[in-house]
Amino acid sequence: IAGITQAPTSQILAAGRRMTLRCTQDMRHNAMYWYRQDLGLGLRLIHYSNTAGTTGKGEVPDGYSVSRANTDDFPLTLASAVPSQTSVYFCASSEGTSGEETQYFGPGTRLLVL
Amino acid sequence: GQNIDQPTEMTATEGAIVQINCTYQTSGFNGLFWYQQHAGEAPTFLSYNVLDGLEEKGRFSSFLSRSKGYSYLLLKELQMKDSASYLCAVRDSDYKLSFGAGTTVTVRA
Repeated sequence: IAGITQAPTSQILAAGRRMTLRCTQDMRHNAMYWYRQDLGLGLRLIHYSNTAGTTGKGEVPDGYSVSRANTDDFPLTLASAVPSQTSVYFCASSEGTSGEETQYFGPGTRLLVL
Repeated sequence: GQNIDQPTEMTATEGAIVQINCTYQTSGFNGLFWYQQHAGEAPTFLSYNVLDGLEEKGRFSSFLSRSKGYSYLLLKELQMKDSASYLCAVRDSDYKLSFGAGTTVTVRA
């Protein structure tokens, strides 16, 4: 079934630990995105990639890094987790970045940093 | 950057109509999207407006006025399954989406 998968589904992480959230899409979409969703704040863009081999910073990039080695995968790494990074993380993809090219979202990763 | 405002919560009765307003201030505009998000799930696409006017898709319609920085999502013939959060999102001049905090709609029998 075509779509976006994220792993893990949920995670409890000790502060200071390194963590990589995985995201894979099989729709051959060019653009991919990472958002965090916090109560009352809505979805905020962390990092994005318009095409394989390129990445860019979103609204809240500090403490996070990404890579885009190929079209399908877009992992998000927390180098040293802090409690303020407790959130729900959504990966999304779109065929392009213009027109009615909507973003499709993965099921999310629920992260608790203690 | 973008400033996107929408009401926090709305309640309506099954079979009724609800209108969710969204106002925005942008440094560039390349379209407005509405998404639906059920509790504990991912957002899913509902509608897209880039020109002024009304777009209708079944029970859902979305309106845009670019000069006023205003959009609304109209949900008709409400059903219990329409209880969800509705997210307004604006695509800026860099083609990135900025989201409002979402409006939680509760449909009561």
